Amino acid sequence: DIQMTQSPSSLSASVGDRVTITCRASQDISNYLAWFQQKPGKAPESLIYAASTLQSGVPSKFSGSGSGTDFTLTINSLQPEDHATYFCQQYNTYPLTFGGGTKVEIK
Amino acid sequence: QVLLVESGGALVKPGGSLRLSCAASGFTFSDYYMSWVRQAPGKGLEWVSYISRSATFIYYADSVKGRFTISRDNAKNSLYLQMNSLRVEDTAVYYCARAWGHSYGYLDYWGQGTLVTVSS
Repeated sequence: DIQMTQSPSSLSASVGDRVTITCRASQDISNYLAWFQQKPGKAPESLIYAASTLQSGVPSKFSGSGSGTDFTLTINSLQPEDHATYFCQQYNTYPLTFGGGTKVEIK
Repeated sequence: QVLLVESGGALVKPGGSLRLSCAASGFTFSDYYMSWVRQAPGKGLEWVSYISRSATFIYYADSVKGRFTISRDNAKNSLYLQMNSLRVEDTAVYYCARAWGHSYGYLDYWGQGTLVTVSS
């Protein structure tokens, strides 16, 4: 199975900050990577697919980059509503696997 | 809009069975692969199973293979997960998700989840 490693596992940032989360795959997954946002008690919501394509309706403050094994999610101008856990997921091969999550808190 | 609504979660004893349902609306259900994903309390996400549009292709995670059965009824716009021989470690919120893209592995819409608790 492909292991997905996210870092950091948690972070705290101020309103207006730019935040970067990284995700590393244990083998080459091309650009078959998605990012999700999960708010407390809610289902995950898709933010980005194909490593850098924004899901319809997602604000442009979210962006993704990377290919192969190393990927990045960037959140610009952090707002209180961005308080959530963010997961990466590879869909290059089955079983689909997810990163452990990054909990983003607002200072 | 795309809407997925899971139901059927409950408290069940180890070794018991449960059937989860997922009602889909807002899109042509028969055009999409579907997946089940679970999340143990306070833990990360674990993919469980997928089913192709006409149920020709079905795949399971090793952790549930032989115990869980995914199915669908396109006429009823519904997805199901039959869970047998349940274990304590199957305790989780179970989400259904619509899938497309490469390997039909991009999960673009998710339901709100249904909680399965396996405990004596």
